[in-house]
Amino acid sequence: DAKTTQPTSMDCAEGRAANLPCNHSTISGNEYVYWYRQIHSQGPQYIIHGLKNNETNEMASLIITEDRKSSTLILPHATLRDTAVYYCIVGTPSNTGKLIFGQGTTLQVKP
Amino acid sequence: DTGVSQDPRHKITKRGQNVTFRCDPISEHNRLYWYRQTLGQGPEFLTYFQNEAQLEKSRLLSDRFSAERPKGSFSTLEIQRTEQGDSAMYLCASSSRRPVLQETQYFGPGTRLLVL
Repeated sequence: DAKTTQPTSMDCAEGRAANLPCNHSTISGNEYVYWYRQIHSQGPQYIIHGLKNNETNEMASLIITEDRKSSTLILPHATLRDTAVYYCIVGTPSNTGKLIFGQGTTLQVKP
Repeated sequence: DTGVSQDPRHKITKRGQNVTFRCDPISEHNRLYWYRQTLGQGPEFLTYFQNEAQLEKSRLLSDRFSAERPKGSFSTLEIQRTEQGDSAMYLCASSSRRPVLQETQYFGPGTRLLVL
C-alpha cells in the first residue's frame, strides 16, 4: 500500500503557483520523498526528490516539514501543460528502488 | 531520442492469446522495472531487473507472466493465455547505478493492452 496521502484533485489558475500537499506521517529516517507526474496517456515523469532539506530544480520546489511527516510540491508559475496527475511517493527501504504509487492528485490548470 | 522506448504502443488481442512486449531502456542503465497501470489507478510494480538478473517479482505477476532481460539491455514481458483482466497499460522504467534511494526512474510511453 502507498505510504502517502494526497488530495484527489486540485485546480490552479494559469500563471499562479500550484501548491500540492502530501502527507507521509509514517516515513522512516532513510526514506526519500519523490514526486512524479503523469500527463494523460504518457509514462510518469520524474520531477524532484528530497530527504529532509528543501530542494529546487528547474521544474519545481519541494518543501519538507521539519518532522518530515508532510511535504509540498510547488510549481511556481503553472501553465496549461502542467495539467497532470501528480504522485507523491516515499522511497522504500528495500534494495530494489521500486516505486509504490498511490492514486495521486489530479491538477487542473485553468486559463 | 535516448529515452526509454517500448514496443508496441498498442496491442489488441483475443482472450487466450499470448502477447509479448519489448522495452529498450536508456543506454547503460543497469536497472529495469515493469509496472502495470489500470484506468484511474497509479502504476503498480510488477518486476525488477538489475542487469540480467530478475531480483524481485510482485505477487501480481502470476505464472502466466514472464519477463526476461537476457543480455542486461532490452527486456521482454510475455503474457500467456491472456484474460480480460490483463487489459492495462504496461510501463517500463530504467535507472542508473546511483544509490538506490537517490536514483530516479525514467519511464517509457507504455504499451496499452486490450484483451477482447
